[in-house]
Amino acid sequence: AQSVTQLGSHVSVSEGALVLLRCNYSSSVPPYLFWYVQYPNQGLQLLLKYTSAATLVKGINGFEAEFKKSETSFHLTKPSAHMSDAAEYFCAVSPYGGATNKLIFGTGTLLAVQP
Amino acid sequence: ETGVTQSPTHLIKTRGQQVTLRCSSQSGHNTVSWYQQALGQGPQFIFQYYREEENGRGNFPPRFSGLQFPNYSSELNVNALELDDSALYLCASSKDVGQGNTEAFFGQGTRLTVV
Repeated sequence: AQSVTQLGSHVSVSEGALVLLRCNYSSSVPPYLFWYVQYPNQGLQLLLKYTSAATLVKGINGFEAEFKKSETSFHLTKPSAHMSDAAEYFCAVSPYGGATNKLIFGTGTLLAVQP
Repeated sequence: ETGVTQSPTHLIKTRGQQVTLRCSSQSGHNTVSWYQQALGQGPQFIFQYYREEENGRGNFPPRFSGLQFPNYSSELNVNALELDDSALYLCASSKDVGQGNTEAFFGQGTRLTVV
């Protein structure tokens, strides 16, 4: 069965510091992997997705993620945190080897950005 | 181009009652997926509708049912509500282009509280 595990339910960084949010996946087929962001009282917004093309994926708002098959990881990074990045971030996998949008989500990481 | 809209935004129901949640998909989209997001958890896939037919279902009991209409809008119905059904219900729409779906766009969700 496919799954994703997000390490760290809460991450706090200072404004301007590196953001690193961790996601490890389990999949028996080549996965499609996604990162979504959720602001308070909002739906989910897609940050970026991996679909077996380039292993380094660039997304919106300066975020990027690298697919590492050997480590079964898809960690999300941003070189310099902004106050507006404070939100909850979800890693997700599409378990059918394709872009079906039947997504399996991790439990989320709440990012706090300190001034 | 209108986005995904869900109604109502909030509602409170009593245990044992039935509820209907509604979702209008984004213009041009033919696929709707429903997710349940309990407090502090990631969204969980309930089911997906494509061209008015159920197209995959997660691990939810039959008292969770749905419909998709010819205009691709959708309803989620939950019978015999239980306290654990309290959650944010998210609708996501996308377009099946034959080799997978385009990006899923999420609505802002319906916050259901069961008392």
